[in-house]
Amino acid sequence: GAGVSQSPSNKVTEKGKDVELRCDPISGHTALYWYRQSLGQGLEFLIYFQGNSAPDKSGLPSDRFSAERTGGSVSTLTIQRTQQEDSAVYLCASSSNRGLANNSPLHFGNGTRLTVT
Amino acid sequence: AQSVTQLGSHVSVSEGALVLLRCNYSSSVPPYLFWYVQYPNQGLQLLLKYTTGATLVKGINGFEAEFKKSETSFHLTKPSAHMSDAAEYFCAVSGGAAGNKLTFGGGTRVLVKP
Repeated sequence: GAGVSQSPSNKVTEKGKDVELRCDPISGHTALYWYRQSLGQGLEFLIYFQGNSAPDKSGLPSDRFSAERTGGSVSTLTIQRTQQEDSAVYLCASSSNRGLANNSPLHFGNGTRLTVT
Repeated sequence: AQSVTQLGSHVSVSEGALVLLRCNYSSSVPPYLFWYVQYPNQGLQLLLKYTTGATLVKGINGFEAEFKKSETSFHLTKPSAHMSDAAEYFCAVSGGAAGNKLTFGGGTRVLVKP
């Protein structure tokens, strides 16, 4: 079956522009995560959606970052007024977990490589 | 807050030699533990996980890991490295105080020498 799909796979943008990154999770997965992977920084949690609950936004690095998940499926991560330090690979993952703690594995997309010039 | 520490950002092993990647976590309650692998230019995929039950967990590609509560460790091993094992490996933890959030270690890049 189809896995987690992210688009675009690569994005080059000028400093100060806004960008939107899209994630299509696996059908039926209620949990959706965004992570950022930078050189030397490992995987940084950004935001987590679980069903109709309020998202956990505790990892968003600044108010320039926002995300939404429409209809419990597709998610869009938006970065406004991009800065060079936003350059990274943005990974989306989904999970079928419905419990209070995530013991179900995450299924990752291949990521969007963002380069801010 | 939970944290995950992977000792060594880079590990070099010879083909056929033992692979040992170290992972320690901090958690006030027993967590769920995972190892993910990322091959070049690909997304992360699950190698193995520990939730409850047997503390020695076997995963794909001949890897296994042992949960040691007394040492708060979840080290990953493979008896004999193969060239195809060259990748980056991430230890991760969820549950406990962090709830549904999966917290990753910094990753260990494995180089396999012929």
